[in-house]
Amino acid sequence: DTEVTQTPKHLVMGMTNKKSLKCEQHMGHRAMYWYKQKAKKPPELMFVYSYEKLSINESVPSRFSPECPNSSLLNLHLHALQPEDSALYLCASSPTDRASGNTIYFGEGSWLTVV
Amino acid sequence: ELKVEQNPLFLSMQEGKNYTIYCNYSTTSDRLYWYRQDPGKSLESLFVLLSNGAVKQEGRLMASLDTKARLSTLHITAAVHDLSATYFCAVDPLIKAAGNKLTFGGGTRVLVKP
Repeated sequence: DTEVTQTPKHLVMGMTNKKSLKCEQHMGHRAMYWYKQKAKKPPELMFVYSYEKLSINESVPSRFSPECPNSSLLNLHLHALQPEDSALYLCASSPTDRASGNTIYFGEGSWLTVV
Repeated sequence: ELKVEQNPLFLSMQEGKNYTIYCNYSTTSDRLYWYRQDPGKSLESLFVLLSNGAVKQEGRLMASLDTKARLSTLHITAAVHDLSATYFCAVDPLIKAAGNKLTFGGGTRVLVKP
């Protein structure tokens, strides 16, 4: 099973709402990631968790708050977003940290629209 | 700052012909990834290249890595319509950090015509 599952697939939220994106993997991977992808653009790294601890934050605004409750789950909490935050949010996982260079698996993504 | 450049950005292919996509990057790296993305879909892993001179092939796709030139190529042999998609290369720089820190190229949109 090489699946990374993301929910919801689509989310529409107002600028004052609080919502969360969820990601789950059962491959035993200890590194998990959030990427943001705007239309016709490449994915951009937001956060990296390694062994349930935040290891990389790419200067992401505080209105995005990641959380890793356990080794299988990764959440992205959203609050007071702006319309320009509308994008495809991709979760990914990899078997270990960068030591082995294994494949990084991406989920199907969550399409977020901020109105 | 790591820069990853792909070219061409758009490639119109004829079925049966061969084509190459190029990926240049600006910093030392020992690993390079190729992904495929269909419209409205997520990223599908194609290849992971881990050393200088690495060559991997899967069906009509072949990828290679030259770390000295900081260049990877994705070669498509005898293009078929099913290969229409956007192809991304991504580089993981040699930095001490936990987790992979991929920087993606701009993508190459491939359209294969009959």
